[in-house]
Amino acid sequence: EAGVAQSPRYKIIEKRQSVAFWCNPISGHATLYWYQQILGQGPKLLIQFQNNGVVDDSQLPKDRFSAERLKGVDSTLKIQPAKLEDSAVYLCASSSWAEYEQFFGPGTRLTVL
Amino acid sequence: DAKTTQPPSMDCAEGRAANLPCNHSTISGNEYVYWYRQIHSQGPQYIIHGLKNNETNEMASLIITEDRKSSTLILPHATLRDTAVYYCIVREETSGSRLTFGEGTQLTVNP
Repeated sequence: EAGVAQSPRYKIIEKRQSVAFWCNPISGHATLYWYQQILGQGPKLLIQFQNNGVVDDSQLPKDRFSAERLKGVDSTLKIQPAKLEDSAVYLCASSSWAEYEQFFGPGTRLTVL
Repeated sequence: DAKTTQPPSMDCAEGRAANLPCNHSTISGNEYVYWYRQIHSQGPQYIIHGLKNNETNEMASLIITEDRKSSTLILPHATLRDTAVYYCIVREETSGSRLTFGEGTQLTVNP
């Protein structure tokens, strides 16, 4: 089966610019997650969707980050405006609601200059 | 979520067993122990999980102490491809509950 797809794989932007990341989860997976992974640290959950509703966004910096999951399938994560400290790998993962395993995509590496 | 403590790095010889320890002394009764690993430039990958009994699958074995305050992930015959960061995570039993990653253990398998 196809895995979690993410694009772009790499992105370089100037601070104060905007950027968007796209994620296509595994077919049939109702739950979608976005994580931020800063170099040398473990991934940190930013937001969790169940179908197209938000389950947990307690660690999402809502003043600059936004995410949506229209139609309960694909999702986009946006940063506007970007700061230097947003440089990180942004990982998308998906799972079935009752499933114990989360499947991760390859991530998008963002560099903010 | 309960906090876990892992050594920052470990080395293992190829073909030997790799034993990765994890302390989770504040784990509660409804929390499972999960292990994920992350190979360089890839997303994390699920390995195994357990509640109180020892578990084994095609990738690894998980040994949980009787008091559940610590566990050990065992890779029985480590290969170079097992070089990765290994994360020990405690997670509530509730469906859809979050994974909280620490900094993990960098395992290096040497030829």
